[in-house]
Amino acid sequence: SAVISQKPSRDICQRGTSLTIQCQVDSQVTMMFWYRQQPGQSLTLIATANQGSEATYESGFVIDKFPISRPNLTFSTLTVSNMSPEDSSIYLCSVEDPNRGITDTQYFGPGTRLTVL
Amino acid sequence: AQSVTQLDSHVSVSEGTPVLLRCNYSSSYSPSLFWYVQHPNKGLQLLLKYTSAATLVKGINGFEAEFKKSETSFHLTKPSAHMSDAAEYFCVVSSEGNKLVFGAGTILRVKS
Repeated sequence: SAVISQKPSRDICQRGTSLTIQCQVDSQVTMMFWYRQQPGQSLTLIATANQGSEATYESGFVIDKFPISRPNLTFSTLTVSNMSPEDSSIYLCSVEDPNRGITDTQYFGPGTRLTVL
Repeated sequence: AQSVTQLDSHVSVSEGTPVLLRCNYSSSYSPSLFWYVQHPNKGLQLLLKYTSAATLVKGINGFEAEFKKSETSFHLTKPSAHMSDAAEYFCVVSSEGNKLVFGAGTILRVKS
């Protein structure tokens, strides 16, 4: 499967600031996804990011709060803007692995653990 | 809309005894179903996937799951638990646009 890395692995931020999380894949992938896992909760999809088009956001998530970039087929960023303590979560990116010809199986990065004070 | 319900938030077993993690799903069509595992402070790892080729799916680390359409269930089992199996397990269903819908998770505790 594809190897996925995220930066930073964790961060502690002050409220009102913004943090950009990077997701790097070792092969070209069409679809990338961003998820949030709040403390003690399951994963919730934030948005789907396809290269060359605007990200598609799920209900409850907006571009002003979570802008996403997808400049090429191996990289994406998620920014958490104007943070509040409620944004403290693990943020994960995932990809579908085209090398295996499987289009609905997602592989996840290690996650970014964000704490907002 | 697709959804999954994990029937137990916590399961505790003794090392060497069987594991059963229960999952029911709701889908308007024949779905793809997955089990993922998340070890403490680690990312999500795919355990297994059902895609209608066979109702009994074998995964990694000795886990398997059986798809039962009549019961809309996809329970995860392992004959003998190991200490390293202690983790959180998520039952997941695919939705339109290849989106994944996650269950609430089941924390598996393995006692020595």
